[in-house]
Amino acid sequence: DTRMTQSPSSLSASVGDTVTITCQASHDISNYLNWYQQKPGKAPNLLIFDASYLEAGVPSRFSGSGSGTHFTLIIRNVQPEDIATYYCQHHDNLPWTFGQGTKLDLK
Amino acid sequence: HVQLQESGPGLVKPSQTLSLTCSVSSGSIDSDGYYWSWIRQHPVKGLEWIGYIDNSGNSYYNPFLKSRVSISLDMSSNQVSLEVTSVTAADTAVYYCARTPSTINGMDVWGQGTTVTVSS
Repeated sequence: DTRMTQSPSSLSASVGDTVTITCQASHDISNYLNWYQQKPGKAPNLLIFDASYLEAGVPSRFSGSGSGTHFTLIIRNVQPEDIATYYCQHHDNLPWTFGQGTKLDLK
Repeated sequence: HVQLQESGPGLVKPSQTLSLTCSVSSGSIDSDGYYWSWIRQHPVKGLEWIGYIDNSGNSYYNPFLKSRVSISLDMSSNQVSLEVTSVTAADTAVYYCARTPSTINGMDVWGQGTTVTVSS
């Protein structure tokens, strides 16, 4: 199985900050990488698909980049409603696997 | 817009079978271009993708569940079902169903999730 490793496991930010979350794949997955946001007690929500394409309705302060084995999710101008855990998920081959998550909270 | 809702017993005894249903509204499970996935999340842990089925009944299961899992469709009821046999405490989790467009292989619509506890 393809192993997805996220870093950091957690981070703190102030409103207005820019934060970067990384996801590393255990082998080349091209751009077959999705990002999700999960708020406490809620189901995950798809933010970005195929590494860099913003899902409809997702604020433009979210962006994704990368290919191969290294990917990043950037949140610019962090807002209180961005407090959540973020997961990456590859779909290069089966089975699909998720990263372990990055928890974002407010300073 | 399409909505999904999981249902089923919240408590299952060890060695028994876990059976969950995902009811789909405002959309058809018979639509081309979609998989219907199940994902679970252990308490205070991350996400595990269990498997999916398409509208032709083709399914794929994550090997970590080996031969204990099956996913099926009920077209007449517009429902997707999940069964996990011989459950143990390790199967205690929140179970989600999700629509998965085959163009992105990402879960774009999720149910709210249902908690299943395996305990005697």
